[in-house]
Amino acid sequence: GAVVSQHPSRVICKSGTSVKIECRSLDFQATTMFWYRQFPKQSLMLMATSNEGSKATYEQGVEKDKFLINHASLTLSTLTVTSAHPEDSSFYICSASPGGSQPQHFGDGTRLSIL
Amino acid sequence: LAKTTQPISMDSYEGQEVNITCSHNNIATNDYITWYQQFPSQGPRFIIQGYKTKVTNEVASLFIPADRKSSTLSLPRVSLSDTAVYYCLVVLTGANNLFFGTGTRLTVIP
Repeated sequence: GAVVSQHPSRVICKSGTSVKIECRSLDFQATTMFWYRQFPKQSLMLMATSNEGSKATYEQGVEKDKFLINHASLTLSTLTVTSAHPEDSSFYICSASPGGSQPQHFGDGTRLSIL
Repeated sequence: LAKTTQPISMDSYEGQEVNITCSHNNIATNDYITWYQQFPSQGPRFIIQGYKTKVTNEVASLFIPADRKSSTLSLPRVSLSDTAVYYCLVVLTGANNLFFGTGTRLTVIP
């Protein structure tokens, strides 16, 4: 089945640091990938749509300069949290679909903790 | 986007069949119904997807009535490892962005 790999699984860093998270589709190509954020005991919230070879589309309220997305190839999207602060601490999850009517498959998430 | 409504939580004993119902009154003609399972600190895992009537796979069944305004995920003989949050989503065919509702927190009791 379709596999989406996300790395790293956990990051702990100081305030002001920029953190990059990678999302890879291992056995299929994805022109579009998605980034979600999930706070404790809450549901997933879509942050942005990552488009291969073009700019990402951000959901309302998500700062594009804060959360930089790059989709350089059909199998890789990266999310960079720039100048992270404690309020950016959350669980970040990516997803991708092989296309057509096939469902989205999710990575295992990245737990980001900013001290 | 069709909004979904699910019970916030459910408890079940081990070995029982669990049915989780989701309401989606505004479902559109081209929408599919998809269910995901999420364990703590993991990404959601696809369980099953259907359009109408009944769909069955190795882990679950999905029942969808003729009007498609609701759906029921059926988990046969649950075990402790089925304790998780289950999300029902209505997804437009070919669309990719998913909007998650609150989900149902299932707790399986020994």
